[in-house]
Amino acid sequence: GAGVSQSPSNKVTEKGKDVELRCDPISGHTALYWYRQSLGQGLEFLIYFQGNSAPDKSGLPSDRFSAERTGGSVSTLTIQRTQQEDSAVYLCASSRRGNYGYTFGSGTRLTVV
Amino acid sequence: DQQVKQNSPSLSVQEGRISILNCDYTNSMFDYFLWYKKYPAEGPTFLISISSIKDKNEDGRFTVFLNKSAKHLSLHIVPSQPGDSAVYFCAAQESAGGTSYGKLTFGQGTILTVHP
Repeated sequence: GAGVSQSPSNKVTEKGKDVELRCDPISGHTALYWYRQSLGQGLEFLIYFQGNSAPDKSGLPSDRFSAERTGGSVSTLTIQRTQQEDSAVYLCASSRRGNYGYTFGSGTRLTVV
Repeated sequence: DQQVKQNSPSLSVQEGRISILNCDYTNSMFDYFLWYKKYPAEGPTFLISISSIKDKNEDGRFTVFLNKSAKHLSLHIVPSQPGDSAVYFCAAQESAGGTSYGKLTFGQGTILTVHP
């Protein structure tokens, strides 16, 4: 597609429920990133996929968070047993060959109540 | 450990004047720096970048300056326009030999408000 597409744009969930956030990167972009922005905070790195290489999961805050990227394209970020501190805007970005100048999606605003 | 810091949470300037946004970093492995602009309910968009081999890069009204010895960069917007009002994020990336190649480390952002 023309841009990075994320769905849903907004998600309200009850504490303890699992959620899945989806990202469709730009066609041909081999690198895909997940970041989150909590209220009043900067962008926090979560996970990075580059081609067929093992993903860099160093930013995932707990084992409740996981992500996969199927067929080198679409990615799903899963948060299990959501907590209130998981409330944030989750941003996906893609780039060519993991190098300079990401294109971001509009994000998914997650609210855990 | 905040490797990229934007110490000013907000900045207010008059239309037509210069806006200067500052960013400091601690990781000496960073060799590429970017500025992103973010409007509410949108994802950040790339604005301008600079490689560590340069000390200045200019694109229209936007200029980024890099002082490697001070580990400091700044974004100058001149003249500032009301449409420039947004959150500006500084970001940095390590060189290919670093362990975090491909990953951008972002600052906390500075909210710029340009008054008509």
